[in-house]
Parts: sequence; structure tokens; C-alpha cells
Amino acid sequence: AQTVTQSQPEMSVQEAETVTLSCTYDTSENNYYLFWYKQPPSRQMILVIRQEAYKQQNATENRFSVNFQKAAKSFSLKISDSQLGDTAMYFCAFMSGGSNYKLTFGKGTLLTVNP
Amino acid sequence: EAQVTQNPRYLITVTGKKLTVTCSQNMNHEYMSWYRQDPGLGLRQIYYSMNVEVTDKGDVPEGYKVSRKEKRNFPLILESPSPNQTSLYFCASSLRSGDNSPLHFGNGTRLTVT
Repeated sequence: AQTVTQSQPEMSVQEAETVTLSCTYDTSENNYYLFWYKQPPSRQMILVIRQEAYKQQNATENRFSVNFQKAAKSFSLKISDSQLGDTAMYFCAFMSGGSNYKLTFGKGTLLTVNP
Repeated sequence: EAQVTQNPRYLITVTGKKLTVTCSQNMNHEYMSWYRQDPGLGLRQIYYSMNVEVTDKGDVPEGYKVSRKEKRNFPLILESPSPNQTSLYFCASSLRSGDNSPLHFGNGTRLTVT
């Protein structure tokens, strides 16, 4: 079974600075997808970014980018120019390719952006 | 507006009293799923459905039932709720399973069982 590990339960960053959230996963598969979800206090689950394992190029979405290291099974999220609205719980998630679309989630990292 | 709608948003009930949490999507999605979120555990899949009349167990199905009689609806049924089912529940849907079509989440249902 796949596992997803987020080793940082909580992090904080000053507004406008850069922060990196860590995620590692364990799988024997070669075809899979990785995601970062954001859950603000409103508790809505918002997709931040996704990465296909077969793509070597790291995904980027505006201020959000990932560092995907397939051999190391690492998928970190970098948030540049942090904003107060980035304060949220962040979940890393894994999905096996061709699966029932089950997302296996990490336990989450609570990020606080301080003014 | 394309969305996944869950009701109710908050529910407090007592042990053993049957309840249903409704989920509806208006995007003609084939795939629907239920997750529960608990502190320190992240989200875990309860049940999923690939299409109408096709449902299957996720990782934590005990104590739950689902049905998929129509494409748009995927209710979660707790026949005899217990306190360990106190949790935050999310319904989610996707155009199809097996690829990386975005998974759309509802706004969650906070259930408390006393």
C-alpha cells in the first residue's frame, strides 16, 4: 500500500518570504500522480498543484511550484512571496495511475503566514 | 456554477440514530467518493463509485453505506452511528476515474455523534 509522509506538522513564515513544505511517499509503481491540496479555515479542499510522475519537469502554478524527485520519492511544495491568504492546512496526496482515483493523503502541514 | 453540494454542513446526533448525508454534483461526473478527515490522520477514503449502480469500499468502510441510483447523487448513510464516527466528511467527484481529472470536493459535513 502506498503511504504519504509529511514530516512537518506545523510551519510558519513571514509575509513575502518563501517557504517549502516537505512530502515523501512510498510506492512500487511507476505510473502515478501527486497533488498538493490547500484547506483554509473555511475547510474547503482546494487543489493547488499536481504532477504526473512521467513528467520530469516540475509543475508550477503562479507562486506555487514543486520539486519532484522521483528517485528519492520526494514531492515538496514551494510557496514564493507568501501571502496572508496562504495560511491553511496543506495536504500532499498520491494517486496510482489507472486506479479507482483513490487519493492517499498525508497527515497535513499547518502553515501560518505572519504579517 | 459547477459544484459538489453536501448537506448538512453541521450535524449533531446521538448514538444509534440513523442519518444520511447527501451529496450532489451538477457536472455529470462519473466518479464520486466519500472521505473522512480526522486530526493527525489526514483524509481517508470511505467508499467510492465509478458510475451509476457501481460502488466499492475504500479504506475505512465499516459502519457506512452508500448508494448510487442516479449519476448526480451519492448519499452516505450511517445506519447506527457511534461516537468514533465523529469526523469531518467530504464528498468528491471527478469526470472519470483512472486519470488525473481534477477531483472536486464539497464543502464538508461536520458530524458529531454523542
